[in-house]
Amino acid sequence: AQSVTQLDSQVPVFEEAPVELRCNYSSSVSVYLFWYVQYPNQGLQLLLKYLSGSTLVKGINGFEAEFNKSQTSFHLRKPSVHISDTAEYFCAVSDTGTASKLTFGTGTRLQVML
Amino acid sequence: DAGVTQSPTHLIKTRGQQVTLRCSPKSGHDTVSWYQQALGQGPQFIFQYYEEEERQRGNFPDRFSGHQYPNYSSELNVNALLLGDSALYLCASSSTNSGDTQYFGPGTRLTVL
Repeated sequence: AQSVTQLDSQVPVFEEAPVELRCNYSSSVSVYLFWYVQYPNQGLQLLLKYLSGSTLVKGINGFEAEFNKSQTSFHLRKPSVHISDTAEYFCAVSDTGTASKLTFGTGTRLQVML
Repeated sequence: DAGVTQSPTHLIKTRGQQVTLRCSPKSGHDTVSWYQQALGQGPQFIFQYYEEEERQRGNFPDRFSGHQYPNYSSELNVNALLLGDSALYLCASSSTNSGDTQYFGPGTRLTVL
């Protein structure tokens, strides 16, 4: 079985400051890792994904994440946040099969303040 | 190119009733997965359909059932609704040819009274 832990339920940050959202996972098999963003009353939008290769992956809206196999982590970072980044962020894991089910964390609410 | 679409947007039912939610996958996608997202929680996998058959299933009771049509669209049916079934139901589609990423629809908000 796989699991995802997002320790921070809420992260307040001032606009233009850097931010890191933490994600740790547990799995007995090789995994794919994903970050999705959910704006109020909307579905999930893919920010970025790690499948293989370079451990630093870049996504949309200036976000990036680093896969650390030894620490089983996949933390999301942005060097300078904007008010429009206020949303719920979900980390997810799947095994490496085709269209495998996603296991999500409980989410981190990023609140960007002026 | 239309993304994943779901209908209806919102739905209100009473306990014991049955509900059907619908999903049309992104163009070119042949696999549909359904997730339940309770308030304040991450999405939970219900099941996945491919070639009109249930391929994977999460830890949900038999009250939750589904169907996939030849055009790849899908339905989620929930019987004997409970208050705890109130949630956002998300549909995600993917392609077996490039199946590492699932694309989500806007969801259907189900409220059970």
